[in-house]
Amino acid sequence: SQQGEEDPQALSIQEGENATMNCSYKTSINNLQWYRQNSGRGLVHLILIRSNEREKHSGRLRVTLDTSKKSSSLLITASRAADTASYFCATDDGSEKLVFGKGMKLTVNP
Amino acid sequence: GAGVSQSPRYKVAKRGQDVALRCDPISGHVSLFWYQQALGQGPEFLTYFQNEAQLDKSGLPSDRFFAERPEGSVSTLKIQRTQQEDSAVYLCASSGPPTGARNTEAFFGQGTRLTVV
Repeated sequence: SQQGEEDPQALSIQEGENATMNCSYKTSINNLQWYRQNSGRGLVHLILIRSNEREKHSGRLRVTLDTSKKSSSLLITASRAADTASYFCATDDGSEKLVFGKGMKLTVNP
Repeated sequence: GAGVSQSPRYKVAKRGQDVALRCDPISGHVSLFWYQQALGQGPEFLTYFQNEAQLDKSGLPSDRFFAERPEGSVSTLKIQRTQQEDSAVYLCASSGPPTGARNTEAFFGQGTRLTVV
C-alpha cells in the first residue's frame, strides 16, 4: 500500500517559476526521500531528509519536513523545461523498504 | 557497473507464460530491492535482499512471484503463470550500507516493462 500522498497531483508552470510539491504520510519515519522519474525511465534520487532535520537544500531544491504534521514539501526554484517529470516522495521507517506516494506530474513549459 | 542494470527492458508474455527478470546491482552494494510500478502509480515494494539473504518478501503479491539472489550480487525475479494484472514496470534498486546504517539513497535501474497479453 502507498503511504505518501503528493499534492497537487499535477502542476503546470512556466520556465523560471518555482514549483512546490507537498507530501503527507501516515506513520513514523526514519527519513523521507524525494525521487524524480522521467517518462519511461527509472527513478533518480533527489534529496533525503532525516527525521531529526527540518530543512535541507541541494542546488535548486529545498525540502522541508514537519514530523508533527507528517508532511514534507519539495521546492524547485527557477524551474527549467528539463525539470518536467513525475516526482515521488518515499518514506523509510527503518524497515529497509521505501514506501512511495502516487506521484506528482510536473510540466514546465518553455 | 556504473549503475543498476535491468534486463530485458521490455517483455511481452502470453498469459500463463513464466518470465524471469534480471537485475545487476551496483558492484559492492549489499542491499537489493524489487518494486512493482503500475501505470500512473508509485512503486510498491515487493522484496528485499541483504547479500544473498531474502530478509523481507512481504510485498510479493502471490506465490507465483519468486525472487532470488544466490551469490549476493545478481538477482532474478521470476513470475510463474503470468496474469494480465501482472502487467507493470518492475524496478530493481540497490544501496550500499547494511541494516542499521540507513539514511542512504537507493539507486534504481530503468526497469523492465512487462506486458501480459
